[in-house]
Amino acid sequence: GAVVSQHPSWVICKSGTSVKIECRSLDFQATTMFWYRQFPKQSLMLMATSNEGSKATYEQGVEKDKFLINHASLTLSTLTVTSAHPEDSSFYICSASPDSYEQYFGPGTRLTVT
Amino acid sequence: KNQVEQSPQSLIILEGKNCTLQCNYTVSPFSNLRWYKQDTGRGPVSLTIMTFSENTKSNGRYTATLDADTKQSSLHITASQLSDSASYICVVNPQAGTALIFGKGTTLSVSS
Repeated sequence: GAVVSQHPSWVICKSGTSVKIECRSLDFQATTMFWYRQFPKQSLMLMATSNEGSKATYEQGVEKDKFLINHASLTLSTLTVTSAHPEDSSFYICSASPDSYEQYFGPGTRLTVT
Repeated sequence: KNQVEQSPQSLIILEGKNCTLQCNYTVSPFSNLRWYKQDTGRGPVSLTIMTFSENTKSNGRYTATLDADTKQSSLHITASQLSDSASYICVVNPQAGTALIFGKGTTLSVSS
């Protein structure tokens, strides 16, 4: 149980285009979902926290107009990287929380912007 | 400032040997401490979660300890296997429902 999926697992896009990443909790309802970014040999950095049906809370330094987060249901959250640039290339990981205690991570999405 | 420090940064051991990874934290308040294993190119997978009242918790060959007084934790891996090669991340949850605070991880390489 407690499986979180992400789609796609990897994506290559051209600079200036937008790309959407999906995060799904497959066997539980997630009241809260988190989006992280991880650069090579670095730890996970929290980008934003989203609760179903409400606006996401972004961490300091994360552009909310560039990284659009939608948490439309208790099992799905999406992260859209708009007008992507090469410096947005990274490993994006989501996590889903069924309560205020546990947090389950997805397998990650590798984004490469050319 | 809430911080989680891990040591060593990287470690190489022979297959079958034991090893211990360290985690020191300066996080307050404190709800729980977690150890995750992250394979290259994958998301973190939970190994153990301990609250302040728990001193030790095991998950197969992984045993985590917690000293809430000194704010130190360790992860002991026994009889290491090649598949143990990964990054091990110590994470502290200050309060239920708040953002997790991540250490930078220890990269473990197990060689044959």
